[in-house]
Parts: sequence; structure tokens; C-alpha cells
Amino acid sequence: ELKVEQNPLFLSMQEGKNYTIYCNYSTTSDRLYWYRQDPGKSLESLFVLLSNGAVKQEGRLMASLDTKARLSTLHITAAVHDLSATYFCAVDMHGGSQGNLIFGKGTKLSVKP
Amino acid sequence: NAGVTQTPKFQVLKTGQSMTLQCAQDMNHNSMYWYRQDPGMGLRLIYYSASEGTTDKGEVPNGYNVSRLNKREFSLRLESAAPSQTSVYFCATRWGGVGTDTQYFGPGTRLTVL
Repeated sequence: ELKVEQNPLFLSMQEGKNYTIYCNYSTTSDRLYWYRQDPGKSLESLFVLLSNGAVKQEGRLMASLDTKARLSTLHITAAVHDLSATYFCAVDMHGGSQGNLIFGKGTKLSVKP
Repeated sequence: NAGVTQTPKFQVLKTGQSMTLQCAQDMNHNSMYWYRQDPGMGLRLIYYSASEGTTDKGEVPNGYNVSRLNKREFSLRLESAAPSQTSVYFCATRWGGVGTDTQYFGPGTRLTVL
């Protein structure tokens, strides 16, 4: 059974600081997804990582994938209040063939001034 | 271009009542999915449809049925609602082609079963 674990589940940061969210998964997969969810809203796609060593960056967020370690990271640089949200990672249950995603429980990020 | 739409946005049911949640997309995507989101649980896949005419069970299918009416529409039915089905339900779509894997989510339906 594929399990996806995120840590931390809650993260309170000060503006301007850096931090990393970790996403570990239990079986082989070379496809990993990061989503953002604002309170009461839907999910928005941030990154799609499709191979070992993939790195993608958008603004203050950078995501990477190490399929050998079964680990993805979401690094936040110089956090700002607008980044406050819940971040989910998800892994394809079938290695990409059908898009059946198993989600982590999410990391609730709060950025304080 | 509405993307992924869901109706209704909110619904309150009594135990034992039935209802159908509707999802429609105008993105010409092949695959469609139904998830439920419970506090502290992330999202869990209920059913999916890899292409028009096919449906399959996900992680938590018990108590639900689905219909892929056509390429655009994918409905989720609760035949006899239970309080454990109180949740936020999200529909998602995916093109399914190589290299364009991300899923696009609808706005959600917040369901309460009393």
C-alpha cells in the first residue's frame, strides 16, 4: 500500500526566513505533485516532478525529487505572508499510468510578520 | 471557459437520503476523478474515470457510485447518506497525455449529513 507522509504538518514561520517541507513516500514512483490550498478554496497545482533529480522553481518556492530516496522537498525562500496556505504533495499510485493520486495530509504554513 | 464546475456548492442531507453531485469540464480532458477531503486526512480518491465509458474504484469507494455520462460530465451518487460521508468533495480532471499530468480541481461541494 502506497503511503505518503509529509512533515511537518504545521509550520509557523517568520517573514524573510527559509524552510523546507518534506514529502516521503513508500513505493517506487517517478511522478510527484505539489499543490497549494488556501482556506475554503480548491487545490491549485504548483509543480509536477516527472523524473529523478527534477527541480522546479516558481518565485520563492522550489521543489525537487529524489526517487531513489523516495523523497521530495518543497523549499521556501524568504517567506512572505502571501505564502500562508496548506501545501500537499501527491504521488501517482500506479507510477503515472492513470493519475490516481495518493495525497499526503498536508502542511499548514503560516507566515507571520 | 469555466474549467471544472461542481454543483451544488453546499448540501445538507439527513441520514438515509440520496443525492448526486455533478461535475462538468470544458477542458476536453480524458480523465476525471472524485476525491473527498476530511480535516487532517488530505484528499482521498473515491472513484475515477480514465476515459469516457470507463470507471474504477479508488481508495474509499464504499457508499458511492459514479457515472461518466459523457466526456464532459462525471457524477457521484450517494445512495443512502451516512454521517461518515460528511466531507468536502472535489472533482478533478486530467488530460492524460504524456508530459501534461497535472490535475485540475473544481471548487468543491461541502456536504453535511445529519
